[in-house]
Amino acid sequence: RKEVEQDPGPFNVPEGATVAFNCTYSNSASQSFFWYRQDCRKEPKLLMSVYSSGNEDGRFTAQLNRASQYISLLIRDSKLSDSATYLCVVNIPDTGNQFYFGTGTSLTVIP
Amino acid sequence: NAGVTQTPKFRVLKTGQSMTLLCAQDMNHEYMYWYRQDPGMGLRLIHYSVGEGTTAKGEVPDGYNVSRLKKQNFLLGLESAAPSQTSVYFCASSAGARVYGYTFGSGTRLTVV
Repeated sequence: RKEVEQDPGPFNVPEGATVAFNCTYSNSASQSFFWYRQDCRKEPKLLMSVYSSGNEDGRFTAQLNRASQYISLLIRDSKLSDSATYLCVVNIPDTGNQFYFGTGTSLTVIP
Repeated sequence: NAGVTQTPKFRVLKTGQSMTLLCAQDMNHEYMYWYRQDPGMGLRLIHYSVGEGTTAKGEVPDGYNVSRLKKQNFLLGLESAAPSQTSVYFCASSAGARVYGYTFGSGTRLTVV
C-alpha cells in the first residue's frame, strides 16, 4: 500500500462548479498535512495547511478525518485558473521534516 | 525576493558524465532538500540538510552526493550519470516544514542519454 494515495483523475469540471478531492494516508501517527498545487512543468507551491478542525481560505476548504485517515480539499466556484495538479502531502512520523508526497490529482476547469 | 533558485534549468548528460546542480535560497532557512519527480510517482526525497555543514540521506540517495558548506547553498552531485537518473529535480527549503511547508525552486530537467 502506498503511504499516500490520491485519485489521479483527471477531473474535468465546468467553471463555477464545486469539486472535491480526497487523499488517504497509511500512517496513523502522521501529524502534519498540506495541499500543494503544481502547474504543468512548474514547481509545487503550498496551497494550504490542513488543520484538525478544518480550515478555509477563500474558495478552498481543507478537512482532516483522523479516524478514517484521509484529508480532503474542496474547491467552490471553480475558476479556469484553478486548473492544475493538486498534491497531498503528509509528514513521515519520527523523521522531523520529511514528508510523503501523493502523485497528485489533475483538475481541468472548462469554460 | 528570489526565494529558491536552481541552476541549471535544463541539462542533457551522457551516461557516465558527472554534474552538479546548485540550489540557493535567500530566506535564511535552516532546512534544505533535494527531491526528484518522475511520471506516476510522488516526489521522492534524495538528500536533505538540517543546517549548514550537515547532510542526510533520504529515500533514494544512491548515485547522488550533496554538500552544504554555506547555509544558503545546497549542492547535488551526480557522480556517474545513468539513464535512470533522467528526472525533474526540485530543491526546497523550509524554516520548519511541519509548520511552514516547503518553498520549492523551479526545477532542473535532466536527461541522461
